[in-house]
Amino acid sequence: AQKVTQAQTEISVVEKEDVTLDCVYETRDTTYYLFWYKQPPSGELVFLIRRNSFDEQNEISGRYSWNFQKSTSSFNFTITASQVVDSAVYFCALSEEVETSGSRLTFGEGTQLTVNP
Amino acid sequence: ETGVTQSPTHLIKTRGQQVTLRCSSQSGHNTVSWYQQALGQGPQFIFQYYREEENGRGNFPPRFSGLQFPNYSSELNVNALELDDSALYLCASSIQGLEQFFGPGTRLTVL
Repeated sequence: AQKVTQAQTEISVVEKEDVTLDCVYETRDTTYYLFWYKQPPSGELVFLIRRNSFDEQNEISGRYSWNFQKSTSSFNFTITASQVVDSAVYFCALSEEVETSGSRLTFGEGTQLTVNP
Repeated sequence: ETGVTQSPTHLIKTRGQQVTLRCSSQSGHNTVSWYQQALGQGPQFIFQYYREEENGRGNFPPRFSGLQFPNYSSELNVNALELDDSALYLCASSIQGLEQFFGPGTRLTVL
């Protein structure tokens, strides 16, 4: 069975600090996909990134960066120079590849990030 | 391009009632997935529809059912509502299930 663990329930930082959100996953599949979503207070889940299990290159997008390490089953997310607008709940998710068109996302419990001015 | 929309935004029901939630998928997307998110938790997969057929189901009882229409919009029906059904219900659309884009959700309160 698939499982995603986000050990950090809440993180509070001061604006401009760097912050890393941890994600550890479990799966028996050799082909899978990892995701990060942001959920602001409005409730809508905003897609941030998708990585497949064969691509371990780290990725940077503006102030966001992701570190995928298959050896430790981790997919961590770093926000550089955090801003108040980054305050939200962040979810890590795992999707298995299926032969039909379907796939389901298994989410972690989320990390509530609060950035204080 | 219109994103995923859901209706209604909020809903209050009493135990034992039935409810129907609606979702319009993003243009060009043929797959719709439904998730339940209880307060303070991550979303839980309910089921997925592809080309009007159920294509995968999570650990939810049969009183949770759904439909997908030819235009790829979808409904989630819940019968015999229980207090624990109070949650945010999220719909996500995708092209064949891979990159899922979520709607704003319907917040259901069961009294």
